[in-house]
Amino acid sequence: DGGITQSPKYLFRKEGQNVTLSCEQNLNHDAMYWYRQDPGQGLRLIYYSQIVNDFQKGDIAEGYSVSREKKESFPLTVTSAQKNPTAFYLCASSIGIHWNEQFFGPGTRLTVL
Amino acid sequence: GDSVTQMEGPVTLSEEAFLTINCTYTATGYPSLFWYVQYPGEGLQLLLKATKADDKGSNKGFEATYRKETTSFHLEKGSVQVSDSAVYFCASIIQGAQKLVFGQGTRLTINP
Repeated sequence: DGGITQSPKYLFRKEGQNVTLSCEQNLNHDAMYWYRQDPGQGLRLIYYSQIVNDFQKGDIAEGYSVSREKKESFPLTVTSAQKNPTAFYLCASSIGIHWNEQFFGPGTRLTVL
Repeated sequence: GDSVTQMEGPVTLSEEAFLTINCTYTATGYPSLFWYVQYPGEGLQLLLKATKADDKGSNKGFEATYRKETTSFHLEKGSVQVSDSAVYFCASIIQGAQKLVFGQGTRLTINP
């Protein structure tokens, strides 16, 4: 089955530690995205990538980093510089950056202890 | 800048009631419009979409019509079920733009 997988589903981190969230897709999509969702709020774009080895900052990139070494994978690192990292993180992909429809993974809930 | 405004939630209805969730947008051009649904603890699923004025998107009994004159894309369902309980997001994108613009989401609870 084609789709987007995110792991782990739940993640706990101590303050001051970096943590990496996984996102993999087998839809052969060129574009991938990371969003952050906080309770009662909409989605905010962290980073996006149009193609392998290329990515751009979204609206709230500070304290986060990404890589895009393979078409299928777009991991997100939440660094210790992120002041309030506890949130629900969603990965998405689309056929191309200008293609309208985005497909979402199941999400990772990160809690900083 | 471009934005999407949704009806404030939470919304609570009884089973078989009629549902409307309002969505209005502001955009510099003519966007495509979407409704996504998020069930508890899950990611977002595309529910329906419309790409030009007067288009009607429909899926699973839900409908929304792209109204350019009122810049709206209200979500409707004639008879809701308990299984429709979820958070609903309205979103827009301008052709050629690089990101979706989401509303803040509306939490819907259906009681039996």
